[in-house]
Amino acid sequence: AQSVSQHNHHVILSEAASLELGCNYSYGGTVNLFWYVQYPGQHLQLLLKYFSGDPLVKGIKGFEAEFIKSKFSFNLRKPSVQWSDTAEYFCAVSLGGGADGLTFGKGTHLIIQP
Amino acid sequence: GAVVSQHPSRVICKSGTSVKIECRSLDFQATTMFWYRQFPKQSLMLMATSNEGSKATYEQGVEKDKFLINHASLTLSTLTVTSAHPEDSSFYICSARDGKTQYFGPGTRLTVL
Repeated sequence: AQSVSQHNHHVILSEAASLELGCNYSYGGTVNLFWYVQYPGQHLQLLLKYFSGDPLVKGIKGFEAEFIKSKFSFNLRKPSVQWSDTAEYFCAVSLGGGADGLTFGKGTHLIIQP
Repeated sequence: GAVVSQHPSRVICKSGTSVKIECRSLDFQATTMFWYRQFPKQSLMLMATSNEGSKATYEQGVEKDKFLINHASLTLSTLTVTSAHPEDSSFYICSARDGKTQYFGPGTRLTVL
């Protein structure tokens, strides 16, 4: 079974700092990769996704992620964070066809200090 | 687009009773929906896959007789927690699949007294 690792469980940054959240998965076949965000008191929202093609994907709110197949990684980045980015971030994986459920990482709690 | 709703958002029940949670895709049809469980300050764990018109498939360790799933239409899946006990208290979240992407509902907080 596949697994997803998020290395940083808690991250605290100041506004305007750059962000990179790590995500690694373990599965040798074709995968679909996702980042979801959960703002306080709200439901999971899709930030961005990768299925195939250009390994650098851009999502909403200025986020981007890069798929590096050789490293089994899909790290999330944002060049300049805002206070409103305070949230829980989840990396998730599904297998090639996309018909299966998602395997989630444990999440990263991001706090942006004004 | 791609909005998923859940009802109720919160439910408190007595031990031994059954609780039904509804998951609806509002602006798209979903042949497949999923049910997850999220413990406090933890990640989501897949419980089962709900396929329209067929039996649900459950993840290892999830009791199918306790968590009954029905997916009778392309926009509605229901999860019934039967004979609920305090250890079933949790946050239950559904998702609906549109292509390869899953869109999530707002979740249902179940508290069993």
